[in-house]
Amino acid sequence: AQSVTQLDSQVPVFEEAPVELRCNYSSSVSVYLFWYVQYPNQGLQLLLKYLSGSTLVKGINGFEAEFNKSQTSFHLRKPSVHISDTAEYFCALDSSYKLIFGSGTRLLVRP
Amino acid sequence: GAVVSQHPSRVICKSGTSVKIECRSLDFQATTMFWYRQFPKQSLMLMATSNEGSKATYEQGVEKDKFLINHASLTLSTLTVTSAHPEDSSFYICSAKGQVALREQYFGPGTRLTVT
Repeated sequence: AQSVTQLDSQVPVFEEAPVELRCNYSSSVSVYLFWYVQYPNQGLQLLLKYLSGSTLVKGINGFEAEFNKSQTSFHLRKPSVHISDTAEYFCALDSSYKLIFGSGTRLLVRP
Repeated sequence: GAVVSQHPSRVICKSGTSVKIECRSLDFQATTMFWYRQFPKQSLMLMATSNEGSKATYEQGVEKDKFLINHASLTLSTLTVTSAHPEDSSFYICSAKGQVALREQYFGPGTRLTVT
């Protein structure tokens, strides 16, 4: 069965520090992976996606992620975070055109 | 492009009544729409998948008679929560896929339902 695991429920970080949000997946078929961000009481906004090709994917707002097939990971990174990056981040796996979501990681950026 | 709207953004209803939530794709034709439910501080749970002109496919454990989904056109899907109870209070989010980028879903802003 396909699944997505986000081990960190919350990641506190100081402003301008780098951050990595971890995502691991389990899948026996072709892998299509996504990172979404959700601000309070809002829907989801796509940050970036991996469908094929280069394993280093760049997204919006300075985020990037690297697809690692051997580690079955798709970790999200940002070299310098802002207060405005405080939000919930979801990793998702496309399974037969449906999305399977991880449990989410709350990024809390402190001044 | 690829904007999805939901209406209403918030709704409060009394126990036993029904409430309808609309999901619209504003600038593209959505062949498939998805309805999710999200409890506080939790992830999204897929409730059902709807394709234009056909019956929705519900995920295991979702009551199809309670959560009625209609996808009557390529730009509109509705979710009706029938005989609502306080335990139906939740954040409902829809998403839509177009005819080109089949692995991309575009999400609506969500609807906060409170049943009193």
